[in-house]
Amino acid sequence: TQLLEQSPQFLSIQEGENLTVYCNSSSVFSSLQWYRQEPGEGPVLLVTVVTGGEVKKLKRLTFQFGDARKDSSLHITAAQPGDTGLYLCAGAEGGSQGNLIFGKGTKLSVKP
Amino acid sequence: SQTIHQWPATLVQPVGSPLSLECTVEGTSNPNLYWYRQAAGRGLQLLFYSVGIGQISSEVPQNLSASRPQDRQFILSSKKLLLSDSGFYLCAWSQREQFFGPGTRLTVL
Repeated sequence: TQLLEQSPQFLSIQEGENLTVYCNSSSVFSSLQWYRQEPGEGPVLLVTVVTGGEVKKLKRLTFQFGDARKDSSLHITAAQPGDTGLYLCAGAEGGSQGNLIFGKGTKLSVKP
Repeated sequence: SQTIHQWPATLVQPVGSPLSLECTVEGTSNPNLYWYRQAAGRGLQLLFYSVGIGQISSEVPQNLSASRPQDRQFILSSKKLLLSDSGFYLCAWSQREQFFGPGTRLTVL
């Protein structure tokens, strides 16, 4: 069974600080998605990374896929209170079903 | 553009009562459809997925069932709810990446 470990589970920081969230597995994924979820809402897709070593930037968010496609990181620069939420990584198993394996998430709180 | 709807948004049901949650997708054809349950601190657990009408795969044994009577309709059901069925239920669709609905908060008392 493939597993995705996310760390840290909880993160509370001050506005303006930088942070990195990690997503690790012993398995190889065909792609990896990062989602952000606010309380009481469904997860919203932020990015998909496909190629080993790939780096994608979304404003102050930088996503990296490990060379071996087993791990990923999300780095936020100068965090803002609007970044508060649950960040989920999900690895694609491949195949036509498109099933995803989800990490348990990192709950980020950015205080003004 | 594609949109996904879930209803109801919130539901409070007594133990032993039946359940029916509905999910519909607009703006796409023949999507893969998924039901997840999200319990606090436990991430998303895949319950069912469907690659076509009438095709349902179950990921975990439970007292829930799913049906796909139409291409863009996915229904989650139970004949008798248990306390442990409480949680946040999410429907998702994909043709490559997965996109989620707004969710249904189910409380079983």
